[in-house]
Order: sequence, then C-alpha cells, then structure tokens
Amino acid sequence: ETGVTQTPRHLVMGMTNKKSLKCEQHLGHNAMYWYKQSAKKPLELMFVYSLEERVENNSVPSRFSPECPNSSHLFLHLHTLQPEDSALYLCASSRDRGYEKLFFGSGTQLSVL
Amino acid sequence: SQQGEEDPQALSIQEGENATMNCSYKTSINNLQWYRQNSGRGLVHLILIRSNEREKHSGRLRVTLDTSKKSSSLLITASRAADTASYFCATKETSGSRLTFGEGTQLTVNP
Repeated sequence: ETGVTQTPRHLVMGMTNKKSLKCEQHLGHNAMYWYKQSAKKPLELMFVYSLEERVENNSVPSRFSPECPNSSHLFLHLHTLQPEDSALYLCASSRDRGYEKLFFGSGTQLSVL
Repeated sequence: SQQGEEDPQALSIQEGENATMNCSYKTSINNLQWYRQNSGRGLVHLILIRSNEREKHSGRLRVTLDTSKKSSSLLITASRAADTASYFCATKETSGSRLTFGEGTQLTVNP
C-alpha cells in the first residue's frame, strides 16, 4: 500500500449523473494532486492543492470540481460528464508541492455512458 | 511535442535478461523521476535523479542521466516476471512548476 487510498475503484455513470471521487492520504503530506490517465496519452495534471489551497488548475472543464477540506482528504466532484471523460483518475500526494516523489492511489476507473 | 518521451514504447524480454528503457526530454530540468505502473493500478515511484547527478542505483535498478543529450536510461538487471509493468519517466522542469510524464514503456518479462 502506498498510503493513498482512492474510492471507488470503479465507477460507471450516465452523462446526467453527479458523483464524487474520494482520496485520502495517511502520509502527513502537504500537497495533493488529481491526474487523469487516458489510453495512449501521458498523465494529465488536473488540480494541485497545497495546504488545502488550490494552487493549480490546469484548464480543466468546470464539470470537474475539486474540493480539499483538509490536508488528508481530496475530492473530485463530477457532473454532466462526457463520454471522452472516461479514464483512470489518479490521486497523488507529496511532502510539499515540489513534485518530488509522488505517492499515487490505485485510481478510479471511470466510464461515462 | 512531449517533454519526456520513452523509448521503446514496448519491450518484451525473457526472465533473467536485462531491460533498458530510455527517456528523452526537451528543456532544462531540475530532476527526473522514474515510476512504474502495474495494469489498472496507480504509479509507484522508483527513483529520482537530480540534474547534477549522473548515475543512481537502487537494488536492481540503475538510472543514468545525460543532461548534455537531455536523456536518461533505466536499466533493470536480472528481470523477473513480476517486473512486467509500464514504466514512465517524469521531468521536473527548471522553469516550470509541474511534473511532466511521458507516455511510458510497456515492459513484458516472459517466464
């Protein structure tokens, strides 16, 4: 185990649904990240939080809404998604936002029908 | 074009052989990291090499960095079937504020 837990592991949702992805880290890290991994494409950084403050939003559509209530928890709220949003969504954490040695969760495999 | 491109895209070897994967990048970097990903799972950090380092070892892993050629290689010695995974390089640019991943090398180690 990496110390980063993501739930659910799999999610199937319709385009009109609202769902949330959850990430929890038990490492005492101060930075948390959401990445999107699509087939045949490099990992795409979506959001970065440092000490619960959003420090980076990588031009992500507003149908993805992150929330970081404390330094251990990170959510990604999803609404009115498109089929092209189907991907593996990975949460990661690091000691600080220096991007050195990221610890990843196992991801949520999302399918949008 | 990509910052951090792995080569080859896929590699298939026999157990016991060595596996070498390469990563090229385009801009000046602060550090370069290698990660491994088993199918359908998250990435696991393997090793970090800084721009002022040329070689690092960790167990059966050996990483080299040539900043003049903007390239790095990951060598896995005496490979095992359990090494089957995708391997990604990620670069932390000197001027940027993020970690950029390549598309990865899919390594298959046949028993």
